Amino acid sequence: DTAVSQTPKYLVTQMGNDKSIKCEQNLGHDTMYWYKQDSKKFLKIMFSYNNKELIINETVPNRFSPKSPDKAHLNLHINSLELGDSAVYFCASSQGTGTDTQYFGPGTRLTVL
Amino acid sequence: AQRVTQPEKLLSVFKGAPVELKCNYSYSGSPELFWYVQYSRQRLQLLLRHISRESIKGFTADLNKGETSFHLKKPFAQEEDSAMYYCALSVFSGGYNKLIFGAGTRLAVHP
Repeated sequence: DTAVSQTPKYLVTQMGNDKSIKCEQNLGHDTMYWYKQDSKKFLKIMFSYNNKELIINETVPNRFSPKSPDKAHLNLHINSLELGDSAVYFCASSQGTGTDTQYFGPGTRLTVL
Repeated sequence: AQRVTQPEKLLSVFKGAPVELKCNYSYSGSPELFWYVQYSRQRLQLLLRHISRESIKGFTADLNKGETSFHLKKPFAQEEDSAMYYCALSVFSGGYNKLIFGAGTRLAVHP
C-alpha cells in the first residue's frame, strides 16, 4: 500500500519541452506539497495545496504550474523546460497545514538535455 | 532570515562510535524542529521531532534555544544508520506552516 506515489520515476527530455509529473496520496490528507532537490541534495519547497487550494507559492518561475484536481492528487506541469530544471522533484502530504508529519513520495528524477 | 544550517556534508564514523550531526537554525518565532532521514533507495521519512522528545532508533535531539541548535546524537552508531539526514524547521508564513530544510548531512558508518 503505497502512501504517496509519483509518476514517472524518471523523466528525460529536451530543452523547451513541456512535461508533467503526477502525485497521488491515499492517506486521506488535506495538504500536499512539491519540493525540488537540486544536485547538491538541497531540498526546497515549491508549492503547497490544502483541500485543492494553493496556500504556499514560493519564488518559482511561472513556467511551473501546479494543479490539484482533488485533495488526493497534486500534479506539476512544467513549460519550456530549461537545463536548470534538472533535479529530483518530491511530492509530500500531511494531515493539516501546521506542523504535522510530512510523508514523502519516492521522487521523480527529471533530466533536461 | 529563516535558515537551517547543517555544516557537515559528510560525517564518516566507525561502527560503535558516537555520532553527532549538527544543526543550527535562525528564526525569530517559536521554533519547531525535525530530523528527516533518507536511507538508500528509500523515501524521505520523519525520524524525530523536538516536541515529542522521543528516542527513535537510538537517536535523540535536544532543542537548545540559547545556541539555536538541534543536534542529532546517537551514542553507538550502527551500519544501518548510514543515510542522508536533514534537519528541518517549521516556519509560520502567510498564515500557514512550511518546512525549511538544511542542506543535509550524509552519515557513513563503516564496519
